[in-house]
Amino acid sequence: RKEVEQDPGPFNVPEGATVAFNCTYSNSASQSFFWYRQDCRKEPKLLMSVYSSGNEDGRFTAQLNRASQYISLLIRDSKLSDSATYLCVVNRVYNQGGKLIFGQGTELSVKP
Amino acid sequence: DADVTQTPRNRITKTGKRIMLECSQTKGHDRMYWYRQDPGLGLQLIYYSFDVKDINKGEISDGYSVSRQAQAKFSLSLESAIPNQTALYFCATSDFLAGDNEQFFGPGTRLTVL
Repeated sequence: RKEVEQDPGPFNVPEGATVAFNCTYSNSASQSFFWYRQDCRKEPKLLMSVYSSGNEDGRFTAQLNRASQYISLLIRDSKLSDSATYLCVVNRVYNQGGKLIFGQGTELSVKP
Repeated sequence: DADVTQTPRNRITKTGKRIMLECSQTKGHDRMYWYRQDPGLGLQLIYYSFDVKDINKGEISDGYSVSRQAQAKFSLSLESAIPNQTALYFCATSDFLAGDNEQFFGPGTRLTVL
């Protein structure tokens, strides 16, 4: 079983739709959680961190459920420019520092 | 100018050849990483370095070696390339003092081994 698992995708949605991505992680010692965005053939970039209290950044809302070891990302009012692969990322902390563990990514395609 | 640069951006080589991928950063970060990305598998950590004197193996280090020549430079070598090392390779950096949570990636090197 992979340490970080995501919805397989791809998600094909019309502009304006609301779309939700889910992610589960297996290591209960994980301490920090993130969503990264990766455009086709480009490098991943941090989209947002995920906090236990939930956090929102414009049209994007991230949620964390530590008890269920579950992370989500909600995108409202989808834009064409949201088309990308979204990576769920967990920071596994150990004696010298953190190491990011990446999910395989979920591809989103927003159509006109 | 990009903060994390990788050279070459694309490389085609033959089985058995030695190849080096180079990464440089101007962010002043102490930590550097090498990943490979294969379709449907996400990013896998090859090696990481927390400072010039510290090198650690990641999940898939077999067939690879690294050198941290300076704080700003971290090179990845394939001593004898094989076709299943065909992948997209990313270098990344992070800042321990900033909590080590965000990693900044270079643009990637697309490597094809024939």
